[in-house]
Amino acid sequence: GAGVSQSPSNKVTEKGKDVELRCDPISGHTALYWYRQRLGQGLEFLIYFQGNSAPDKSGLPSDRFSAERTGESVSTLTIQRTQQEDSAVYLCASSPMGDTQYFGPGTRLTVL
Amino acid sequence: RKEVEQDPRPFNVPEGATVAFNCTYSNSASQSFFWYRQDCRKEPKLLMSVYSSGNEDGRFTAQLNRASQYISLLIRDSKLSDSATYLCVVNNAGNNRKLIWGLGTSLAVNP
Repeated sequence: GAGVSQSPSNKVTEKGKDVELRCDPISGHTALYWYRQRLGQGLEFLIYFQGNSAPDKSGLPSDRFSAERTGESVSTLTIQRTQQEDSAVYLCASSPMGDTQYFGPGTRLTVL
Repeated sequence: RKEVEQDPRPFNVPEGATVAFNCTYSNSASQSFFWYRQDCRKEPKLLMSVYSSGNEDGRFTAQLNRASQYISLLIRDSKLSDSATYLCVVNNAGNNRKLIWGLGTSLAVNP
């Protein structure tokens, strides 16, 4: 079956622009996570959606970052007024509740 | 104390070596444990879940020690293709069962 997909795979933007990253989780997975990974660094948790519960936004680094999820389907991560330090790979993972996470291939964001 | 902690020092071993990774976790109520591997510039992929009784998959053995709150991964007869970063993952046992990641330990297997 289809895995987690993310788009775009690469995004180059200018400092100050807004970007929107998309994640299509595996059908039926109630949990969806966004992570950021800078080159050579570990996974940095950003936000977690679990069913209809309020999302866990504790990892969002600033109010320039926001994410939405419609039901148990697509999620979008929006970064407003991008900064150079936002350059990273943004990974999305979906999961049956509390169980194995399946990752998408990530979006590589470069802010010039 | 970090929720999930791994030794960041990388392993650099010859082919055929046995390598052991350890990971400690802080929440004694955690119920789910996993090892993932991440190849350079790729997304993490599940290597194996860790069960209370311990489990083995070919050259890979995972064990859980609840009393000491650590999990381990043993790789026997290491291959060049085992070179990757190995990540420990634990659920937080709260109502939302969020998974918490260690920062990973890098393994380089040399010919």
